[in-house]
Amino acid sequence: GAVVSQHPSWVICKSGTSVKIECRSLDFQATTMFWYRQFPKQSLMLMATSNEGSKATYEQGVEKDKFLINHASLTLSTLTVTSAHPEDSSFYICSAGTSGRETQYFGPGTRLLVL
Amino acid sequence: KQEVTQIPAALSVPEGENLVLNCSFTDSAIYNLQWFRQDPGKGLTSLLLIQSSQREQTSGRLNASLDKSSGRSTLYIAASQPGDSATYLCAVINNAGNMLTFGGGTRLMVKP
Repeated sequence: GAVVSQHPSWVICKSGTSVKIECRSLDFQATTMFWYRQFPKQSLMLMATSNEGSKATYEQGVEKDKFLINHASLTLSTLTVTSAHPEDSSFYICSAGTSGRETQYFGPGTRLLVL
Repeated sequence: KQEVTQIPAALSVPEGENLVLNCSFTDSAIYNLQWFRQDPGKGLTSLLLIQSSQREQTSGRLNASLDKSSGRSTLYIAASQPGDSATYLCAVINNAGNMLTFGGGTRLMVKP
C-alpha cells in the first residue's frame, strides 16, 4: 500500500513551453502533497505544500506564478512549470501524506530537461 | 530555521565493512526523524522512522539511533554489500509544522 506515482517520468521540452507533472496517490487519500526539487548531487528542496481544495503554500524564493500547483482532489496534485527555461531543468519529486505529520510517501520523480 | 547536516558527504568502503552515517540538526524540537535511501535518478525509499520519544529503530542490517537533546542521529549499516550503494538522506519534521527538512545526503559506494 501507500503508492505514489508521477507522470511523466521523463520530459524534454523547448524553452518557453509549459510542462505539467502529475502526482497521484494510488491507494490512499492524500490531504497534503509536497513538491520538491533536486539538483544533481544535491538534496531535496521543498518548493511548496498543497492541501486539497486550497491554495498551495510556497517556500521562500519559489515563484508561485512560475510553478503552478493544483491539488484538485484527494488523489491528484499537479505542478505546472510555466514558460520553462533551461535553468528549470531538474528532478522534481512529489510526496503525499494524510493529515497532520504522518509519514510522507514519495513518488519516483520526474526528470525535466529544458532545451 | 531547522538545518540538517550529514557527514560525510561521500563514503567509499570495501564490501563487508560496518559503517556509520551521521546526521545532525540544529533545532531539537522535532516530531520525528527519517532515514531515506535514494538510488541514482530515482525517488526516495523510507528506511527507518524514529519518533521523538524513541532512541532507536532497527530493520535488518540497519540500525538508526536518535539523541534528540544533542541534535544527532546515526545510521549504522552492518556487513555492507555492493547493493547498499546509494545516497542516504536524513530528514526531520519539526514539532511546529509538517514539512520535512532534508540533510545534504551521504553518497555511499560499497566496493566488491
